[in-house]
Amino acid sequence: DNQMTQSPSSLSASVGDRVTITCRASQRTSTYLNWYQQKPGKAPKLLIYAASRLQSGVPSRFSGSVFGTDFTLTISSLQPEDFATYYCQQSYSFPQTFGQGTKVEI
Amino acid sequence: EEQLVESGGGLVQPGGALKLSCATFDFTFRSYWMAWVRQAPGKGLEWVASIKHDESDEFHVDSVRGRFTISRDNVKTSLYLQMNSLRAEDTAMYYCARIGWYGLVGYFDLWGRGTLVTVSS
Repeated sequence: DNQMTQSPSSLSASVGDRVTITCRASQRTSTYLNWYQQKPGKAPKLLIYAASRLQSGVPSRFSGSVFGTDFTLTISSLQPEDFATYYCQQSYSFPQTFGQGTKVEI
Repeated sequence: EEQLVESGGGLVQPGGALKLSCATFDFTFRSYWMAWVRQAPGKGLEWVASIKHDESDEFHVDSVRGRFTISRDNVKTSLYLQMNSLRAEDTAMYYCARIGWYGLVGYFDLWGRGTLVTVSS
């Protein structure tokens, strides 16, 4: 299976901070990598698909990039509503796998 | 408004069975692949199964293969997950998700609110 390793597992940040979350794949993933945001008690929400494409309606402060098997989600200026848990997910091969999540806290 | 609504969760004993349903609204269901994703209490997300738009193929994670079966009814615009031989480790919130495509890249672009399955004696 293609193991997705996110780092860090959690981070503390302030409103206005630039936040970067990394996801590393254990196998070839190309750009078949998506990012989701989940708030407590809610379903996940798609932010970024195909490594760098912004889902419709998602603020432009969210961006994604890739270098080899390393993927990055960046929030350019953290807003109060961005405190949540973020997951990466590869859809290159079955079983599709998620990272373990990164909790962004105040 | 495009929407997914899961139902069928509940408390079941180990070894028991349950069938989850996902009703869909306001999109062309027969055009989309669909999936089930679960989340154990306090844990991360786990893909469970996917099914092609025309029911021509299904995919299941190894841990449920042979016990769970994903299916769909394109007339009723509904997705299902038949779960047999349930184990304590199957306890989770089960989400129905629609699969969108960018070229060959699939992603879960619409999610339901989930239905909770608890396996316990």
